[in-house]
Amino acid sequence: AQSVTQLDSQVPVFEEAPVELRCNYSSSVSVYLFWYVQYPNQGLQLLLKYLSGSTLVESINGFEAEFNKSQTSFHLRKPSVHISDTAEYFCAVRGISSGSARQLTFGSGTQLTVLP
Amino acid sequence: DTEVTQTPKHLVMGMTNKKSLKCEQHMGHRAMYWYKQKAKKPPELMFVYSYEKLSINESVPSRFSPECPNSSLLNLHLHALQPEDSALYLCASSLPPSTFADTQYFGPGTRLTVL
Repeated sequence: AQSVTQLDSQVPVFEEAPVELRCNYSSSVSVYLFWYVQYPNQGLQLLLKYLSGSTLVESINGFEAEFNKSQTSFHLRKPSVHISDTAEYFCAVRGISSGSARQLTFGSGTQLTVLP
Repeated sequence: DTEVTQTPKHLVMGMTNKKSLKCEQHMGHRAMYWYKQKAKKPPELMFVYSYEKLSINESVPSRFSPECPNSSLLNLHLHALQPEDSALYLCASSLPPSTFADTQYFGPGTRLTVL
């Protein structure tokens, strides 16, 4: 079984400031890691994912996340946020092995609010 | 193209109505999912179809009835719902679960209100 903890339910930050959204996970098997973003009244959009290879992954809109196996973390960062980044961000994990561990387990979400 | 479409966008129904939600993808994915999402909460898995066969039912009440008529379509039939079933219903699709990197791609959701 897996679990995901997003330590901050709400993160307010001023425009052009840096931001970090924290995600820690627990799993008895190796995992893949994902960040999804949900804008108001919309579905989930895949922001970035870690499957293998380089532990630093980047999205097309300036976000990056680093997989840290020893700390079981996958924190999301952006050096300079925009008003348009205001959204709910979900961290998710999926087990690599077979069975129910392969289903996505979501964290509780972090509401990022970018202030002018 | 990583698009999953869902219709309708909004649905209001009474507790005695029968309605259906529709989901479609043309990415060649062979796994499709239904999730329920309440406000300010993460999505909760309801059903998983793999190769058009129901592989997971997360103890969902029988008033929700999924159907996968072909590899591109997924329906969710609704009957005798309760007000607490009001939520955003999300569809997702991915490569088959046994495939490496079967990333799930989500649709925009159907906002359901049960009166």
